[in-house]
Amino acid sequence: NAGVMQNPRHLVRRRGQEARLRCSPVKGHSHVYWYRQLPEEGLKFMVYLQKENIIDESGMPKERFSAEFPKEGPSILRIQQVVRGDSAAYFCASSGGAGNQPQHFGDGTRLSIL
Amino acid sequence: LAKTTQPISMDSYEGQEVNITCSHNNIATNDYITWYQQFPSQGPRFIIQGYKTKVTNEVASLFIPADRKSSTLSLPRVSLSDTAVYYCLVGPSGNTGKLIFGQGTTLQVKP
Repeated sequence: NAGVMQNPRHLVRRRGQEARLRCSPVKGHSHVYWYRQLPEEGLKFMVYLQKENIIDESGMPKERFSAEFPKEGPSILRIQQVVRGDSAAYFCASSGGAGNQPQHFGDGTRLSIL
Repeated sequence: LAKTTQPISMDSYEGQEVNITCSHNNIATNDYITWYQQFPSQGPRFIIQGYKTKVTNEVASLFIPADRKSSTLSLPRVSLSDTAVYYCLVGPSGNTGKLIFGQGTTLQVKP
């Protein structure tokens, strides 16, 4: 999958705990997208970031979810006080630019909430 | 945002050519048409992108008529490993390039 690395691949949390999902984009890519996929559904856009900036967070739930893409290091999707409904596959994608640039996806983090 | 419509599922046999058609009646002038493939437990993989007429690469062809209201992804001589979900997307979506995924087409290739 073109070099986008996500970890962990699987994450189990109990209700009320915090989940941190990490994404290292393709080398040289400065545009990162996060998507969520519920079972038997298509991917849903969550947030779009460039280095140190959140550009579009229109798909992010209003509470408990946050994302960052620091100058150094991976992008982080953080979910506080997780609930069972947060169980899903979370995919990160990167591109070399916005617009119609193809996005390269990682293999996702599967989050399970007990 | 241009909405896409594609068949929920398709069946084929090994060695056949498969054509998946996508309708996008409200496509905008600056929209491109992009297809992704997704295997279970993996992220989507870019297959092909086009704006008009025909585009071909090493894995597929994309046919786009002059009115651009539909497009057809053509997979030559499919194998069992082509069993996957195929998504048709149009965009860019605004200035950010976020992708709007529909339900996709589940292609089942049989021996």
